[in-house]
Formats: sequence, structure tokens, C-alpha cells
Amino acid sequence: EVQLVESGGGLVQPGGSLRLSCTASGFTFSAYGMSWVRQAPGKGLEWLAYISGGATTITYADSVKGRDTISRDNAKNSLYLQMNSLRAEDTAIYYCVRDVGYDRNANYNSYFDSWGQGTLVTVSS
Amino acid sequence: QSVLTQPPSVSGAPGQRITISCTGSSSNIGAEYDVFWYQQLPGTAPKLLIYANTNRPSGVPDRFSGSKSGTSASLAITGLQAEDDGHYYCQSSDSSLNGDVVFGGGTKVTVL
Repeated sequence: EVQLVESGGGLVQPGGSLRLSCTASGFTFSAYGMSWVRQAPGKGLEWLAYISGGATTITYADSVKGRDTISRDNAKNSLYLQMNSLRAEDTAIYYCVRDVGYDRNANYNSYFDSWGQGTLVTVSS
Repeated sequence: QSVLTQPPSVSGAPGQRITISCTGSSSNIGAEYDVFWYQQLPGTAPKLLIYANTNRPSGVPDRFSGSKSGTSASLAITGLQAEDDGHYYCQSSDSSLNGDVVFGGGTKVTVL
């Protein structure tokens, strides 16, 4: 059974930093791309960042580009998100997700077939 | 606002059929990117409901079905049940955003 367990959330002041972690089990971690998705309180879903299985491809949403860094340690079956210069609008539940990608119709499609339970990040003074 | 547009809410009585629309544009659904649907029940993480427009993962009841046409997609729920009460999100990718993943704003399904 695929399991994704996030940790590292909490209360942080504006301008501060936080590092989220996600520990994966139940599948060959290095064979899958992984992403982070967040959900602000009472709001919808927002994709943030993607990293390929071998960490050779990394992409970010414009909302976090230059502030966040996604990384992984395949030896530890772990995914990370380093978040810097945090703002109030970064307050959200952050989900670690397994990213399944494939080519069709000359497009690269991507979706999330497994989700962690999420970790809450609150940015407030 | 979201790149993909969904109605904020849809409701139906138990046993009824409801549909949720997901309207995109020529740079996402209309550009032949596939559409995916997620179900989020109260207090839980989202769960994959439909992948590649019409396919159900193992364990998802066949009451749920997806379709896609032109720049739009739809999720249908037949034989609505009380446990279907929750939020539903569509997802695709967008060529104007370098192929980044985009979500709809979500639809709250209320079982009356």
C-alpha cells in the first residue's frame, strides 16, 4: 500500500523559513516523480513544484519560483520542500503527492494518484 | 481565479444523477491535454477519482464517470449517495504555463 506521510508544518512568522518533509513507503520511490500541492483554508488546490524520480527535472509554479526549493533523497525515500520568505498567503495545508506522467497527443500529462494526509503551515506574526 | 472553471456548487437528492462541468480553453483541455478528477470528502485529503478523461482507478465505483469534448470536461455521478457529499476538482495542464498542472476551483456537491 502506498503511503505518504508529511511532517514539518507549523507556525512561522512572515519572512521566515520552513522545511517540509515527506516519507514514502509501499512503492519504489526512485521510479516516480513527486510533487507538492497546497490548499489554503477553505480554498481550492494549487500545484507548487515537481521533481522527477532521478531529480534531473524540477519545475515550479510561478507563485513559489525563487522562494521554494524541492528536493529528494531516494536512499531515504524522502521528499522535501524548503520554503523561504514566507508570506501570510502561504498559509495552507501542504500535500505530498505521487506524480504520474505520460505522453499522449504530443503532450506530457501529469496527475496525482496518491496523496499524503497533509501538513498545515501557518504564516502569522 | 482558476484556469479551469467549475460551478461552485451542485446538489441532488439520493439516487439522482448530477454532472459537474469543467471548462477550459485552447491552451489546456482544448489543446488535447487530458483531464483528471479528484474527490475530497470533509476533513480528508483529495483522492483520485478519474484519470485520463474517462478511466476509474481500482476501487472507484462505476457510478462515477468522466467525459471530455472540445474545451470542456464533465464528471457524472449516477445513483447519488450520502457519502458522495464533498468537493470535486478537475485538473489538467496548460501550454501557456509551460505545461504546468492547473486545477479547477472546485465544486461542492451537496446530497439533499
